[in-house]
Amino acid sequence: KAGVTQTPRYLIKTRGQQVTLSCSPISGHRSVSWYQQTPGQGLQFLFEYFSETQRNKGNFPGRFSGRQFSNSRSEMNVSTLELGDSALYLCASSGDPNRGYTFGSGTRLTVV
Amino acid sequence: AQSVTQPDIHITVSEGASLELRCNYSYGATPYLFWYVQSPGQGLQLLLKYFSGDTLVQGIKGFEAEFKRSQSSFNLRKPSVHWSDAAEYFCAVGAATGTASKLTFGTGTRLQVTL
Repeated sequence: KAGVTQTPRYLIKTRGQQVTLSCSPISGHRSVSWYQQTPGQGLQFLFEYFSETQRNKGNFPGRFSGRQFSNSRSEMNVSTLELGDSALYLCASSGDPNRGYTFGSGTRLTVV
Repeated sequence: AQSVTQPDIHITVSEGASLELRCNYSYGATPYLFWYVQSPGQGLQLLLKYFSGDTLVQGIKGFEAEFKRSQSSFNLRKPSVHWSDAAEYFCAVGAATGTASKLTFGTGTRLQVTL
């Protein structure tokens, strides 16, 4: 069974640009969540999607957005990148959130 | 609001020694509790989870954790550590509702194993 796939693995962007990250969940999983991991703030919840609807949102500015497609694949977008957006972005999927989430390997975003 | 505290930032143990990583949580209702492990440059791997029932839960790689409601704790243990266990360990609490859609993580404990 394939795991959660995140693309790309590494990304370097310039301040002011925008970026789109992709996540393919485990087949059959309809819930996808996104987390940001930084040395200073640790792991922070961004948002969660279920059946193409955003079900929960963390405390991030509106520059951070996401969506989910009918095949459960999800994308997150960050516009007007800032240096502080440099982080590991982790995607997690679940067939039943009550049973825990499976995480992908993440996308390492560096903003220069 | 839910929160998780991992009081130990860094722990060093000898290979073969026992291990206990501490986790305290704050949540108004019955929590869903998780332990994840992260190797450098990698994502998070689920070690074990607690939802209800038996307060001692077994996980992968020989890990176990005990839920103690009276102490609001969910400590992770392993009787004999292997060098490959060196990694960062995260405790997390999830909302125990119909849609446990958000995990709140602790700051993590970095485990170093000496040979």
